[in-house]
Amino acid sequence: DAKTTQPTSMDCAEGRAANLPCNHSTISGNEYVYWYRQIHSQGPQYIIHGLKNNETNEMASLIITEDRKSSTLILPHATLRDTAVYYCIVREVSGTYKYIFGTGTRLKVLA
Amino acid sequence: NAGVTQTPKFQVLKTGQSMTLQCAQDMNHNSMYWYRQDPGMGLRLIYYSASEGTTDKGEVPNGYNVSRLNKREFSLRLESAAPSQTSVYFCASSIYEQYFGPGTRLTVT
Repeated sequence: DAKTTQPTSMDCAEGRAANLPCNHSTISGNEYVYWYRQIHSQGPQYIIHGLKNNETNEMASLIITEDRKSSTLILPHATLRDTAVYYCIVREVSGTYKYIFGTGTRLKVLA
Repeated sequence: NAGVTQTPKFQVLKTGQSMTLQCAQDMNHNSMYWYRQDPGMGLRLIYYSASEGTTDKGEVPNGYNVSRLNKREFSLRLESAAPSQTSVYFCASSIYEQYFGPGTRLTVT
């Protein structure tokens, strides 16, 4: 079973920040939080990951709570091309890097 | 640098037929994976290979076999296809984050 819980769907106005929450209350100290997205029926695309500090790259920012039980992916200026299903995944720091995908959050960016 | 490639892109099989889905990566990754995705669902791990010469079962391995032919290639075989195996199949490779191929859309009638 997936170790993460995400809302089924969200809408966001184009140009506004999209904030996608994820609950991972059973996360352990040796697990990263990873975010991927899947546009239409393409293969999932890596976005960002973090262990305990907040992270930012050219695509998004990741905010992880101090207790690490939840996180938020932030797309700072959402565009129509960001419409996709977003998956939050926890993954062990070492080992075989197996992922458990849940059903994700379907983000719709509105014009 | 093509990343992860999969062949074929589409396939229709009759119940009981066999086929092999091919996957190759040119990123020198150690780990490779096979997932299936049913309509409206997330991806489910079928098999994975942590390194060349090793394979392990994932969440839904029944009805499938895999071969890690070398570091680049990881194939998935359906020995006797069933309608329940109608799905989109994704291959991925990784060192840390996973890189996914474009998928194979399989229909079993």
